[in-house]
Parts: sequence; C-alpha cells; structure tokens
Amino acid sequence: AQSVAQPEDQVNVAEGNPLTVKCTYSVSGNPYLFWYVQYPNRGLQFLLKYITGDNLVKGSYGFEAEFNKSQTSFHLKKPSALVSDSALYFCAVSLPGRLTGGGNKLTFGTGTQLKVEL
Amino acid sequence: GAVVSQHPSRVICKSGTSVKIECRSLDFQATTMFWYRQFPKQSLMLMATSNEGSKATYEQGVEKDKFLINHASLTLSTLTVTSAHPEDSSFYICSARDQGGPAKNIQYFGAGTRLSVL
Repeated sequence: AQSVAQPEDQVNVAEGNPLTVKCTYSVSGNPYLFWYVQYPNRGLQFLLKYITGDNLVKGSYGFEAEFNKSQTSFHLKKPSALVSDSALYFCAVSLPGRLTGGGNKLTFGTGTQLKVEL
Repeated sequence: GAVVSQHPSRVICKSGTSVKIECRSLDFQATTMFWYRQFPKQSLMLMATSNEGSKATYEQGVEKDKFLINHASLTLSTLTVTSAHPEDSSFYICSARDQGGPAKNIQYFGAGTRLSVL
C-alpha cells in the first residue's frame, strides 16, 4: 500500500522569506509524486510532478520540489513567499500502472495549511 | 494546464432526493476520471474510478448503489447521489487524467461541488 505523510498541519512564514512544506512517502516501487494547491471552496490546482529524471522539479508560480529517494521525501519549496501563496497544499503519490482500470490512483497526504504574512 | 469543469458548484436538496454532479474535461479526452470526497479540513478520499465505456471501480466501503457513476463519453462523467441523506453532505471533487503528451499522468481537478442535504 502507498501512503503519504505531511507532518505539519500548518506552516507560517513571512512574505519574502523562503518556504518549505514537507512531504514523505511510502511506496513499493518507483513513485510518481505530485504537489497540488487548494484555495478555499475550490478544487485542486496542479503545481508540479516528479516522474523520472532530475531530482529538482520546477513547477507553477515559482514553486519547486526535490525528490530524495534515500529519505523518501518530496518537499515543496519556494525561495520567496507571497501572501497570495497562502492556501492548503497537498502532496500525492501514485504508482505507474495501466492507463485504464484504475491505474495511477493518487494517494493524498492530509494537507498543510500555508499562511504567509506581511 | 488542462481544464476540468464541474457542475453544479453548490447544491442544497431535501433528504431522500437524488443529485447529479457532472464532470467534463474541456480541452482533452479522459478515458479515466476519478471522484473524491473531502470532509472539512481533511484530505481527499478516493470514492471511485470512472472508466469510459465500462463500469466504475469503487473503493472499499463506498456503496456503488448509493453513488452511481456513469462515464458515457471521453469528456463526461457523472456522479449521482441517490436518496441523499444529511450524512452525504460533503464536498465532492472530480478529476480527469490527461491521456498523453507532456501532461500524461497528471490528474486535473474540477472546482468541486458542495452538497448540503437538509
């Protein structure tokens, strides 16, 4: 079974400072890893993904994440936080699978509320 | 990124009635769509995987006769909550997986439907 842990329910950071939202995963095999962001009463927006290749992945809105296989982590980072980055962030994992019949099901972490203050 | 439209965004209904939620992929074809349920301040729980032209695959504990899923075309999946009761009140979110190209393996999410059963 695959699982995702986001150890922090909330992260507070001052605008302009770097931010990190942590994610660790447990899966047998080579994972596909994703970060999504959710604004209040909205669906999830895709930020970035790791499938294979470079461990450092760059995504939307200046976010990036680093895949660390030895630590089974995929932390989300941004060099300079904005107030508008305040939202709920979800890490997710899936395993390569058939494109039909339920392959690539996502398992989500519990989410981390990011609050960026002036 | 790709666009997934979900309708309605909010619905209030009386106990015992049925509610249909639509999920459309607007600019890509999706053989597979997913239906999630999200409780307040919690993560997304996968309810079922919707496969175009075949029966949906339900997660353990999800009543297939309660949550009817139809995926009649490559761009439309519907979730019908039958004989809704107050405990069915929740935020329902759909996603569609892009089949190919650089967006392969990415699930794009609808904006969600807030269901309130009185």
